[in-house]
Amino acid sequence: ETGVTQTPRHLVMGMTNKKSLKCEQHLGHNAMYWYKQSAKKPLELMFVYNFKEQTENNSVPSRFSPECPNSSHLFLHLHTLQPEDSALYLCASTRDPGDTDTQYFGPGTRLTVL
Amino acid sequence: DAKTTQPPSMDCAEGRAANLPCNHSTISGNEYVYWYRQIHSQGPQYIIHGLKNNETNEMASLIITEDRKSSTLILPHATLRDTAVYYCIVRVLNTGFQKLVFGTGTRLLVSP
Repeated sequence: ETGVTQTPRHLVMGMTNKKSLKCEQHLGHNAMYWYKQSAKKPLELMFVYNFKEQTENNSVPSRFSPECPNSSHLFLHLHTLQPEDSALYLCASTRDPGDTDTQYFGPGTRLTVL
Repeated sequence: DAKTTQPPSMDCAEGRAANLPCNHSTISGNEYVYWYRQIHSQGPQYIIHGLKNNETNEMASLIITEDRKSSTLILPHATLRDTAVYYCIVRVLNTGFQKLVFGTGTRLLVSP
């Protein structure tokens, strides 16, 4: 248990659906991150939020829309996804964006797009 | 950030020490070496990091060569629960945020 929770743990959706992934951290951290991990590929950073402000968008398609209403919650809104978007989506947090010690990851949401 | 090279897979007997190597020959003076691991279908877990001195914590030891071009993560008494993919990452600390660039890592299999 890392103090970062993600829901749902598994999600199956059609290409025309709209769904949202939720991440919550109970660590009092100020920076939160979304990563994508496709099968047999390294983790890819998608978005970074620092004090609720987006500071990094790593050329992510607009069908992925992040939202950070406060420092403890991070959402990833999904719409009109493609089958190649099927992956493990991981949320992480750090005390500060330049935190040197550790990045705490959640368990991930396994997304399947049909 | 400097690139790292790790063997794709390694085996280790339960109870023995697991020594996972990492080459980072282009590392610069202000880059730290970080190790994370990812157990199947879970998020990555921080293990340890260091600059040039050897480091030890409750999970592992990190040995960095004097020229800093390579390092070794040591799990002193591997257990079956240590089976995971281990990632060696080098990064500079003075960037705007902690961007970790994960490679493909070493898949460690601990067997009974």
